[in-house]
This record gives sequence, structure tokens and C-alpha cells, in this order.
Amino acid sequence: DAGVTQTPRHEVAEKGQTIILKCEPVSGHNDLFWYRQTKIQGLELLSYFRSKSLMEDGGAFKDRFKAEMLNSSFSTLKIQPTEPKDSAVYLCASSLGGSSYEQYFGPGTRLTVL
Amino acid sequence: QQQVRQSSQSLTVWEGETAILNCSYENSAFDYFPWYQQFPGEGPALLIAIRSVSDKKEDGRFTIFFNKREKNLSLHIKDSQPGDSATYFCAASAYNQGKLIFGQGTKLSIKP
Repeated sequence: DAGVTQTPRHEVAEKGQTIILKCEPVSGHNDLFWYRQTKIQGLELLSYFRSKSLMEDGGAFKDRFKAEMLNSSFSTLKIQPTEPKDSAVYLCASSLGGSSYEQYFGPGTRLTVL
Repeated sequence: QQQVRQSSQSLTVWEGETAILNCSYENSAFDYFPWYQQFPGEGPALLIAIRSVSDKKEDGRFTIFFNKREKNLSLHIKDSQPGDSATYFCAASAYNQGKLIFGQGTKLSIKP
């Protein structure tokens, strides 16, 4: 079985650009998570979907960050407009859901905003 | 407010020693506690997990000790190997909540 796939692995953007990160969860998983990882803040939850329904949208990240699940096997995270402080690793994870909490993480997308 | 707290940002032990990583939490509703291991350039991967009905979980060289009354837990890595050098995250979840709350991580270095 394929694990979680994320593309691109690296992204460089100019301040003010719109970028879209992509994620394919493990086949059959019902829950999908987007995280931002930085050395200072650690792992911060951006969005959480259960069976394609948005359960949590990350509060402070609402205004410029938008995650969508186009179908059960594909999700995007749009950042618009990007700012230098958005430079981080963006991780996607999926889990079966229900009573199974184990999350499987993708390799992440390293975003650099100039 | 940090709901899950790891006491050390970094830890160094000699090869062959037991590494002990500590974690505490605030929410009494948390009942599932996984530890994730992350190597540079990769996403975190589940290492071992415990539910609050147990006080100990062992898997090979890795053991979780859990104290519900004190709201803390620790990950013991016996016979540490250089390949165990990684960042370890403690996390917690409440029943049917789905999402995990992560600690800040402890970077473990094993000296050969």
C-alpha cells in the first residue's frame, strides 16, 4: 500500500504569491490532517477533515490558509497571499478514523517564501 | 497554553545507555498517547502508543511508562543505538476526538 504522498517536496514563492500544496492520503483512510512544522512552534494543526467534512480549520490560520478535500483521495492546501513567516514544512497525515487514531504522515513540503 | 509538554528540547546519551524522554499533559480527558519518531527530511512515524487504561507498554527496546494520577508519561529507549538519533514527539488525544495534540519534541542524539 502506498503511504501519504505530498507534492511538491520543495516550493519557493515570492511574497504575495498564491501557492497550492497537494496531498494524497492512504487509500481507505477517512481522516485527513494538515500541519505546519517549524522549529519554534513545533507541529501546528491547520485543518482536519473527517470523511471529507471539515472538522477543524485551525483558528488563527483561517484568513490566508484554505484546505479542501476534492474527493476522498486528494486534498489541497492553498496559501493566499504568502508571507515570509509562512516559511515552514507543511505535513499532511491521514488515519482510518473512528477508534483508530494512528496518523500516517507524508514526507512534507518545504515552503520558502522570499 | 501547551496541553502536552515535553520536558527537554534535546537529550544526549551514550550508545548502549537507556534514553528517557518525559512528557506531561493537562487534559484529563486524554486517553490515547502515541510517541512519534521523526528523522530529518521525513514526516513523523508512529513508534509506540499507550491507552490510559494501561500503565506500561513495551515493544522491543521501547517502553512507555504511564502515570494517570500524575498526568505524565515517559518513553524509555533501552540499549540506545546511533540510529535512534531523531526527534521524538509525545502526543495525546481524547476519545473519538480524532485529532492529536503534539508536544514540542525532544531531539535525541546518541553518541557512539
